[in-house]
Amino acid sequence: DVKVTQSSRYLVKRTGEKVFLECVQDMDHENMFWYRQDPGLGLRLIYFSYDVKMKEKGDIPEGYSVSREKKERFSLILESASTNQTSMYLCASSFLREMNTEAFFGQGTRLTVV
Amino acid sequence: QQQVKQSPQSLIVQKGGISIINCAYENTAFDYFPWYQQFPGKGPALLIAIRPDVSEKKEGRFTISFNKSAKQFSLHIMDSQPGDSATYFCAAGGYGQNFVFGPGTRLSVLP
Repeated sequence: DVKVTQSSRYLVKRTGEKVFLECVQDMDHENMFWYRQDPGLGLRLIYFSYDVKMKEKGDIPEGYSVSREKKERFSLILESASTNQTSMYLCASSFLREMNTEAFFGQGTRLTVV
Repeated sequence: QQQVKQSPQSLIVQKGGISIINCAYENTAFDYFPWYQQFPGKGPALLIAIRPDVSEKKEGRFTISFNKSAKQFSLHIMDSQPGDSATYFCAAGGYGQNFVFGPGTRLSVLP
């Protein structure tokens, strides 16, 4: 079974803090993604990576950065957390984008910024 | 051109009824249309997917209907069960393109 594991289910952080969200996948997938999920807006792509040390901006990258030092691990960084970044964050992985195959999601991290 | 529209936003169906969720896309380069199912507290999981070379795909009680000329596709859940209560997302993807997700439909199936 493919497993995408996010390090935290729930996080509460203060405004201005630097926040790290970690994601690990065990299927040797090339692609990894970070989405945020908000009611009525669906899943919006923040950043994605199709190889180690490679990253590309998604639709809403402002206020975020990412790191992919190893193939199985993809980290999302909130440089200075703000209240409008309170959301559910979902990590996903898949095989090569060109193949348009199934994306496997983690269980999500619900982040609250106070 | 990247948007995927989805309706309805929420849906209530009696047990045994048919649930229908509709999606529409604009980008004609999209050639892969998956549906994801998400239960509370869980990440989305692939339910069923279709490519535009067929007009319909059925897996158990779940069917995707695809209309390429209208750029629309829909999910039909036959004999809906309370265990189907979840949020459903349609999505669209194409060669070298990331998925674009619809806003989601919250389905409630009443016992």
